[in-house]
This record gives sequence, structure tokens and C-alpha cells, in this order.
Amino acid sequence: KQEVTQIPAALSVPEGENLVLNCSFTDSAIYNLQWFRQDPGKGLTSLLLIQSSQREQTSGRLNASLDKSSGRSTLYIAASQPGDSATYLCAVNRNNDMRFGAGTRLTVKP
Amino acid sequence: GAVVSQHPSWVICKSGTSVKIECRSLDFQATTMFWYRQFPKQSLMLMATSNEGSKATYEQGVEKDKFLINHASLTLSTLTVTSAHPEDSSFYICSAVGTSGISEQFFGPGTRLTVL
Repeated sequence: KQEVTQIPAALSVPEGENLVLNCSFTDSAIYNLQWFRQDPGKGLTSLLLIQSSQREQTSGRLNASLDKSSGRSTLYIAASQPGDSATYLCAVNRNNDMRFGAGTRLTVKP
Repeated sequence: GAVVSQHPSWVICKSGTSVKIECRSLDFQATTMFWYRQFPKQSLMLMATSNEGSKATYEQGVEKDKFLINHASLTLSTLTVTSAHPEDSSFYICSAVGTSGISEQFFGPGTRLTVL
């Protein structure tokens, strides 16, 4: 059974810092991996999707990498802003069986 | 992009009543829809997989008679929480996969259910 772990569970940084969120998974036979943002009481906003054949994806200040063989992904956020404060979830997908990590709760202080 | 809507966005009901939540794919046809549940400060847990025109597949530990799923068309799936109890209070999120064959799920905005 696929297990997804996210470290750290919570992170607080001052505005402007670069930061890295980590995601690990136990079964490397995945189709893709996706990073989401979730604001309190809200649904999911898709940030980046990396196909299993890809190594990384970039969107603006966000960069996600995937090392399928080691079962790891990182989400890099450059020049963090207070508006980045949210919970970040990673999810791995195999044949539409999608498993989520517990998330990293990020707080960016002004 | 692909848009998925849910209705209602929130609902409060009395214990023992049934509540229906709708999930619609607005600009694409969805052969498969998924229903997730999220308790406070926890991650999403898959409840069931819903395929158009066939019975839903439930995850272990999810009562199919309590959480009725109907996927009658390629754009609509419904989740009915029957005889709701306070422990059913949760955030319910649906997602949909299109017919393009690309394995990406598009998520709805969620429905907050509170059972008094």
C-alpha cells in the first residue's frame, strides 16, 4: 500500500526566505506526482504536476522535483511571501489511485 | 482548464437526516469521479471511486449503505450521506478524470458538512 509522508508538518519562515518542502513515497511505480495548495476551509489548488518520466516542473516562484527511484519529491518556493501561507499537500497517482500526504502547514511572517 | 463544481458548498443538518452532495464536471466529460473526506487538520482520504453507469467501488472501512454514490451521467456524481450523525461532519471533496486518458484528477471546491 502506498504511503506518502511530508516533512516538516509545519514550517514558519520570515518573508523573503527560500524554502523546501519534502515529500516521500514508498512505492515508486507511480504515474505522476502532484503538489497542491489548500487554504483553511477551502478546496485544493493544483500547483504543479510532474509526470513519472519528468524530473522537475516550474511555475513562477515554484519548482518541484521528482526522484522516482528514491521515492522523493521536493517543492521549492523562492522569495516566500505572506500570501504563500497555506497547507501544501503532495499526492502520488497510480492508475487514478491517488494517495495524499498529511501536508506541510506553511506560515510566512511579514 | 477543467472545472469541477460542488453543491452545496456547506450544509448543516440535524442528526438522522440525509444529505446529498453534487459533483459536476462543467467543461468536460468525466468517466470517473472520486469522493474524498478530510477531517480537520488531516489529509484527504479516498472514500470511493465512481464510474459512470456502474456501481461505485468503496475503500475499506467506508460503509456503502451509508454513503450512497450515484454517477448517472458523464458530468454528474452525487454522494448521499444517509442518516447522518455528528461523526460524519467533515469536508467532502470530489474529483473527476476526463475522457482524454491523461491521468490527472481535477478537484472540486469541497462541501463542509456539519451534523448537529
